[in-house]
Amino acid sequence: AQSVTQPDIHITVSEGASLELRCNYSYGATPYLFWYVQSPGQGLQLLLKYFSGDTLVQGIKGFEAEFKRSQSSFNLRKPSVHWSDAAEYFCASNFGNEKLTFGTGTRLTIIP
Amino acid sequence: NAGVTQTPKFQVLKTGQSMTLQCAQDMNHEYMSWYRQDPGMGLRLIHYSVGAGITDQGEVPNGYNVSRSTTEDFPLRLLSAAPSQTSVYFCASSYLQSSYEQYFGPGTRLTVT
Repeated sequence: AQSVTQPDIHITVSEGASLELRCNYSYGATPYLFWYVQSPGQGLQLLLKYFSGDTLVQGIKGFEAEFKRSQSSFNLRKPSVHWSDAAEYFCASNFGNEKLTFGTGTRLTIIP
Repeated sequence: NAGVTQTPKFQVLKTGQSMTLQCAQDMNHEYMSWYRQDPGMGLRLIHYSVGAGITDQGEVPNGYNVSRSTTEDFPLRLLSAAPSQTSVYFCASSYLQSSYEQYFGPGTRLTVT
C-alpha cells in the first residue's frame, strides 16, 4: 500500500544545532514528495517539493531535503535551527494523483 | 487576498446535532479539500473537489457531506455529530495542475460531547 512514514514523533534540538527529520515512503515508482510545516495554531505551509532531477532540493526558511531512491527516503535538513523553527513538520506525497497523503508528523522543540 | 478562510474557529456540539463548517477561497483555485487532523494520525483527507459541481470521497468520508456549487466555497456538513468527529478540520485549495501545493485555512477546532 502507498504510505508515508515519519518515524520520529518528537525531536528536541538546541538552538543553533543542525536538524534532520526523517521521512520514508512506500510506492512502486518515484512519487512527488513534499514537506509542510505547521506552526502552533496555524494551517500548513509548503516548505519544499521534489518532482524529479536534482535529488537535493532547497526550500523556504533555509530548509533543504534530499531524495534517496535506494532508501525510499526524503529527509528534511537544516544546518542551524532557530527558535522560530519550533513547529510540526509533515512529509507528504501525491503518489501519482491529485490527492496528498501525509505522514503522521514530527513535532520539533527547540531549546535555548 | 484573504486566501483560504474557515468559520467558525471553534465549535462545541452535542452528539446528534448537525452543523456546517464553512470554507471559502478567493484565489480562483479549482481544487479544494477537507482534512481532519488528529493526534498521532497526521492529516487525513475527508472529501475533495476538482471544480464546481464535482466532489469525491477521500480516506475518511463517513459522517460528512460536501457540495461545491461555486468555485469559491466548499462547505463540510456533519449531519449527526458523534464524539469520534472531535478533531481539528482544515480546508485547503490549490490550482488543479499543482494540487500538491495546497493553501491551508487556519482550521476549525470541533468538540462533540
